[in-house]
Amino acid sequence: GAVVSQHPSWVICKSGTSVKIECRSLDFQATTMFWYRQFPKQSLMLMATSNEGSKATYEQGVEKDKFLINHASLTLSTLTVTSAHPEDSSFYICSARVRGHSPLHFGNGTRLTVT
Amino acid sequence: KNEVEQSPQNLTAQEGEFITINCSYSVGISALHWLQQHPGGGIVSLFMLSSGKKKHGRLIATINIQEKHSSLHITASHPRDSAVYICAVRRVGGSEKLVFGKGTKLTVNP
Repeated sequence: GAVVSQHPSWVICKSGTSVKIECRSLDFQATTMFWYRQFPKQSLMLMATSNEGSKATYEQGVEKDKFLINHASLTLSTLTVTSAHPEDSSFYICSARVRGHSPLHFGNGTRLTVT
Repeated sequence: KNEVEQSPQNLTAQEGEFITINCSYSVGISALHWLQQHPGGGIVSLFMLSSGKKKHGRLIATINIQEKHSSLHITASHPRDSAVYICAVRRVGGSEKLVFGKGTKLTVNP
């Protein structure tokens, strides 16, 4: 079946540094990728929708200058958390699909801890 | 009130029991997803449905569009089924965005 690889699975960084998270579709071309954030015991919250070759669409309240999303190819999207702060500590997870209303395929997530 | 409500919030069962998790939503939808999130955080898409019923192994998902309700059933539950089960809907209108329920934490004891 379709596989989405997310890397790294966990990262610890110091406050003020930037962290890049990669999301790759391994055996299919993903026209759309989604980035979510999940705080402990909370629902997934969509941060942004990323279409290959175009600018990401951010949800209300998500700072586009802080959470940089790049979807340069049909198999790779990256999320960069810039100038990370402890309140950015969370679980970040991506999902991808081929087109339209096809099923979603999720990465295994990245647990970010900012000290 | 959330647009997607799940019940129960927590569920503990003995191995072999029949499990039902419910999802009610208050908006018009084009599709409903059932997702399984394991303790490590990884998410697996179990079903995507817009009508009727789907079955995969011991899992069955049903949806009643008129009543705006869906159920996920697990037959002959097993400890490896222990996970958080999440219902998510895509609103009509072509939006890509999914609206998620808060999840149901299932624990199956041996």
